[in-house]
Amino acid sequence: GESVGLHLPTLSVQEGDNSIINCAYSNSASDYFIWYKQESGKGPQFIIDIRSNMDKRQGQRVTVLLNKTVKHLSLQIAATQPGDSAVYFCAETAPSMAGGFKTIFGAGTRLFVKA
Amino acid sequence: NAGVTQTPKFRVLKTGQSMTLLCAQDMNHEYMYWYRQDPGMGLRLIHYSVGEGTTAKGEVPDGYNVSRLKKQNFLLGLESAAPSQTSVYFCASSYIHSGRKESPLHFGNGTRLTVT
Repeated sequence: GESVGLHLPTLSVQEGDNSIINCAYSNSASDYFIWYKQESGKGPQFIIDIRSNMDKRQGQRVTVLLNKTVKHLSLQIAATQPGDSAVYFCAETAPSMAGGFKTIFGAGTRLFVKA
Repeated sequence: NAGVTQTPKFRVLKTGQSMTLLCAQDMNHEYMYWYRQDPGMGLRLIHYSVGEGTTAKGEVPDGYNVSRLKKQNFLLGLESAAPSQTSVYFCASSYIHSGRKESPLHFGNGTRLTVT
């Protein structure tokens, strides 16, 4: 069943093209950032993360860029495939008042891959 | 390993009824979280726990209570359900690296709750 909203920002790309999904975060104290992928009917799954002492990190077909000056995060997917169609969330983690850490999610972007 | 398991998967409640959602993780993670996901709202943090016996409020705690009596379990309770609590609820867990570094969240597959 569908578990995410009908009004999410949407990115539509052709199979084989590169995708760039952007995210603005709010808390300047956040020091750890993660991108998650959510497929219909499932919980979010980890894709890639980056700590605040870095500005770029690469994985398999994915790259995350962090710009702390403007509090902006992006996810680049190379050679996008139909299986990449999903909703993508960025998340920021910061120390919490209760001790430990707290993770807050952005609103999400729906990626459609056209065959 | 099963990872993070949520029960039940679906539930329908009438306004004013109560229920408890159960989350269990078998990864020995310290931290556990409850989120709700509504259309167009992304995931919002309800409550979280940084260890057995401790809980803390997230972004939208009103109308919910939680308990973490055992490290592997995190319960979310609705004492008097309201239609505004119709949502998909996700539980997640994470561990802390040495040096108190964060790690990604591991999610369950959600509980779809409808309150009529």
